Amino acid sequence: QLQLQESGPGLVKPSETLSLTCSVSGASTSRSNFYWGWIRQAPGKGLEWIASIHYGGKTFYNPSLKSRVSMSIDTSKNHFSLNLGSVTAADTADYYCAREDSETSDNAFDIWGQGTMVTVSS
Amino acid sequence: QSALTQPPSASGSPGQSVTISCSGTSSDIGGYNYVSWYQRHPGKAPKLMIYDVTKRPSGVPDRFSGSKSGNTASLTISGLQAEDEADYYCSSYAYRNSYPNAIIVFGGGTKVTVL
Repeated sequence: QLQLQESGPGLVKPSETLSLTCSVSGASTSRSNFYWGWIRQAPGKGLEWIASIHYGGKTFYNPSLKSRVSMSIDTSKNHFSLNLGSVTAADTADYYCAREDSETSDNAFDIWGQGTMVTVSS
Repeated sequence: QSALTQPPSASGSPGQSVTISCSGTSSDIGGYNYVSWYQRHPGKAPKLMIYDVTKRPSGVPDRFSGSKSGNTASLTISGLQAEDEADYYCSSYAYRNSYPNAIIVFGGGTKVTVL
């Protein structure tokens, strides 16, 4: 059974880079029909898609975050990562990693990690 | 401000139906059949309830149904049950004229209360 698990620091200082990793078990990150994404939810706000990546290198970014975001994937370690630079308090949120399966539910996230809370504060 | 517009709240008594709307544009909901709906209980990860406008993942009760008309999508919960009390979020594939072109947008969420 496919499972996702986020990991990373729970506290990041303003102006620094937030780095998160999503470890995938139960399936390969190099499956051609899988896309891997990051979504966040700030306190009192709705869900916000951050970015998605395919193992072949294709990456999609939220235009409002594109200048600060990068995603990478390491199929040998079966995980993918998110870097968000120049963070501010507005980046404080629960961060989720998730999967899209283009063969079944394209452009929808059918498997989610449990989420990790990240606070931006000095 | 979210790209898709949802009412902040909706409610119904057990056994009743409740419908949540999600308004977008011709560049997202109206242009593609890639509308999805997520249920989120407090402290839990979101759960996919509907994808491709009307399809239910395995395990989702058929009390949940989706539809679309023009630029507005809807989620209907029939036979409301206590465990349906949660936040619901719509989402859609969107294509923008400026790079990056292909994106995913979410609504602001609707809190469903079972009275």
